[in-house]
Amino acid sequence: KNEVEQSPQNLTAQEEEFITINCSYSVGISALHWLQQHPGGGIVSLFMLSSGKKKHGRLIATINIQEKHSSLHITASHPRDSAVYICAVTNYGGSQGNLIFGKGTKLSVKP
Amino acid sequence: DAGVIQSPRHEVTEMGQEVTLRCKPISGHNSLFWYRQTMMRGLELLIYFNNNVPIDDSGMPEDRFSAKMPNASFSTLKIQPSEPRDSAVYFCASSLQVMNTEAFFGQGTRLTVV
Repeated sequence: KNEVEQSPQNLTAQEEEFITINCSYSVGISALHWLQQHPGGGIVSLFMLSSGKKKHGRLIATINIQEKHSSLHITASHPRDSAVYICAVTNYGGSQGNLIFGKGTKLSVKP
Repeated sequence: DAGVIQSPRHEVTEMGQEVTLRCKPISGHNSLFWYRQTMMRGLELLIYFNNNVPIDDSGMPEDRFSAKMPNASFSTLKIQPSEPRDSAVYFCASSLQVMNTEAFFGQGTRLTVV
């Protein structure tokens, strides 16, 4: 079993739809990251959080430490949001700096 | 700052050849990470440095892989000899600190070994 599981693997949505991507992890963590990888390949860090909720524009990330679960929400989705969204955790007690990655969720937003 | 700069962006080489990937981290960042991304395994940490010192290289797949960071502004990842199964996208990332700080990724080097 992977230490970081994401769902769904693939997601197709219509423009303006509200989107949720889920991430569950099985290790103790000190932080959780959401990354975005565009079709061109570049990776951008969207959020880093260890508790509660963070918001940036139309993106919202939440984390529940007790349930070992995080969600990434996109409101009023747009075709330019089409990308792979990757959840990663910094393993508490593990090798410092070692990010453990989920397999990613491929999002396609249709106009 | 221009961000993390990797070169080359694409590399095609023949099996058995030496390949050197290069990375320039963001100025002032103390930590540098090398990752590999494949369809099968996703993103994996290969090695990371803190203050130019290699801290954890347990992700380096074989002795054919080596990484150096001679100074705070430059790192290399070398594969010698290269094999077709090394084909992947290699990312370099840097951050202010090792733990719990945002990592900034380079654009990646797409390596194809034929």
